[in-house]
Amino acid sequence: EAQVTQNPRYLITVTGKKLTVTCSQNMNHEYMSWYRQDPGLGLRQIYYSMNVEVTDKGDVPEGYKVSRKEKRNFPLILESPSPNQTSLYFCASSLEGTEHSPLHFGNGTRLTVT
Amino acid sequence: TQLLEQSPQFLSIQEGENLTVYCNSSSVFSSLQWYRQEPGEGPVLLVTVVTGGEVKKLKRLTFQFGDARKDSSLHITAAQPGDTGLYLCAGGSYGNNRLAFGKGNQVVVIP
Repeated sequence: EAQVTQNPRYLITVTGKKLTVTCSQNMNHEYMSWYRQDPGLGLRQIYYSMNVEVTDKGDVPEGYKVSRKEKRNFPLILESPSPNQTSLYFCASSLEGTEHSPLHFGNGTRLTVT
Repeated sequence: TQLLEQSPQFLSIQEGENLTVYCNSSSVFSSLQWYRQEPGEGPVLLVTVVTGGEVKKLKRLTFQFGDARKDSSLHITAAQPGDTGLYLCAGGSYGNNRLAFGKGNQVVVIP
């Protein structure tokens, strides 16, 4: 089944403790992206990647890191999480990353930072 | 960043009624996508509209792209409880590999 898989689904951590949220897609998609979704603010893009070893900042990249060493994986790294990074996170992928390419989303990771 | 305004933010209707939600911008988009997000899940693509004035139908859902490609509407006929969800519009621009998302229309259909 074609899908985007994120892990974990739920994560509670403390301020300053490094964490990684994994994302994997099995559709051989070129483009991958991370979003955060907050009440009243909608979906905001954190980082995106057009291909292996190519990553770019989105609208809200501060406090996050990403890497794209393999086509299928695009982990999101929080080196020193803070409470304002408490949010619902989505990984997404698309075939080409053009304005017409539909995005396929994972089921989300709900992160709480205390 | 181009802005997409969705209205109304929240809409609650009885099963069987019709509804229309809107996605508006001052910017021109080369395409516009509509997604539906259900609780606990990621958004799922419903449709992509590309041509100004284009109308696409997906069962009881009718999507229209404005003639000037700045706005879009989603009309649901005889709404069902299964139509409950957050409807998100996302606009794409020529040569830009990033989509601009609206904040969504939360639709609740009461049985």
